[in-house]
Amino acid sequence: GAGVSQTPSNKVTEKGKYVELRCDPISGHTALYWYRQSLGQGPEFLIYFQGTGAADDSGLPNDRFFAVRPEGSVSTLKIQRTERGDSAVYLCASSRDQGPGELFFGEGSRLTVL
Amino acid sequence: RKEVEQDPGPFNVPEGATVAFNCTYSNSASQSFFWYRQDCRKEPKLLMSVYSSGNEDGRFTAQLNRASQYISLLIRDSKLSDSATYLCVVMLAGNTGKLIFGQGTTLQVKP
Repeated sequence: GAGVSQTPSNKVTEKGKYVELRCDPISGHTALYWYRQSLGQGPEFLIYFQGTGAADDSGLPNDRFFAVRPEGSVSTLKIQRTERGDSAVYLCASSRDQGPGELFFGEGSRLTVL
Repeated sequence: RKEVEQDPGPFNVPEGATVAFNCTYSNSASQSFFWYRQDCRKEPKLLMSVYSSGNEDGRFTAQLNRASQYISLLIRDSKLSDSATYLCVVMLAGNTGKLIFGQGTTLQVKP
């Protein structure tokens, strides 16, 4: 499909484990965003990339969270030593470029930490 | 104080009703504003941008009041299919790209 693709759609893991979440943005979109959303809350900004570089990572909650986009397309969000509080839906979005354009979201990766 | 605040609702209205949501933002340097719609267990999708002069798209009207730092969304002649969560979104000036989402306001339109 032509939309933003996220894998896995669901991930259940145990406290303390390492997790990787993948996002494949819309082809040609230079800006890529990661948000996380807990039940009853709006999406919380984590990080966004313009090309390969992280233009703003101010939303990453602590150093257990890291994201890469080595070739300016696919991005991976990495969470080390997962905690129960990390449980949420992790949403990826892309847009044609940075600026006040429309964000196109993927369906999200639902992470459950037991 | 949250950067973007919304009344979470839910707003329960009958079909055909007019309903309005407000949203306030804390940073006066905010420059771009949007309403996104999110259906249950789905991803958010852009509903409309909000312009300083106000704008309308069919049954939906968005308005911005910079002096009071609030944004509104008016839905006329509500349909059952309008039932969703409406997210107010703000982007700061000089910080192009980072969009801040409100908690969302849930609307339930009843037959």
